[in-house]
Amino acid sequence: QVQLQESGPGLVKPSQTLSLTCSVSGGSISSDGYYWSWIRQHPGKGLEWIGYMYYTGSTYYNPSLMSRVTISADTSENQFSLRLTSVTAADAAVYYCARNDPRMPAAGSFDCWGQGALVTVSS
Amino acid sequence: DIQMTQSPSSLSASVGDRVTITCRASQTITTYLNWYQQKPGRAPELLIYGASSLRSGVSSRFSGSGSETEFTLTISSLQPEDFATYYCQQSYSTFPLTFGGGTKVEIK
Repeated sequence: QVQLQESGPGLVKPSQTLSLTCSVSGGSISSDGYYWSWIRQHPGKGLEWIGYMYYTGSTYYNPSLMSRVTISADTSENQFSLRLTSVTAADAAVYYCARNDPRMPAAGSFDCWGQGALVTVSS
Repeated sequence: DIQMTQSPSSLSASVGDRVTITCRASQTITTYLNWYQQKPGRAPELLIYGASSLRSGVSSRFSGSGSETEFTLTISSLQPEDFATYYCQQSYSTFPLTFGGGTKVEIK
């Protein structure tokens, strides 16, 4: 089955750029129909969708983060990445990558998740 | 944005109890509603998609219902492994996809 694994620095300095990579195994990010997402969860809080991408390069971002977010893919490595610029303490969270199926009957559900990567923002 | 409001935010229940969690959308989302279970330190896991379809491998004691703006997740007989936080999520509008605030199910 498809498995996702996040990787990247666990500590980022304020004003710098957060970069995370999601490695996908057991399936291809070029699979027709699936979107590849980033979601974050602040400590003790709920879930916030950051954005997702399709393998063709189309991207969709949460308007609240759109000015600072880039999601991109490396299809040769079967990975996709998140870049979040100008981070502040408010960006400290667990970051998850996940697969989204927008088609019915899946109804836009996130059916596969990585284990999560904790990112701390501190100088 | 479509706001998703879950109630209650937390509840205490005993093993064997029937538990119902409600999720309300700020506008109609037809049946583009999904439910997740999250245990401490773990990623969320999909339980129900399309408001009422049980994901393969998920216990049949979980069920979902509703449409338009009001939805429920029911656990027919609470088991020890069901103590967790539950989230609803709408996908009717992509800009942005949104989750409810969560319902924490604790042991009474």
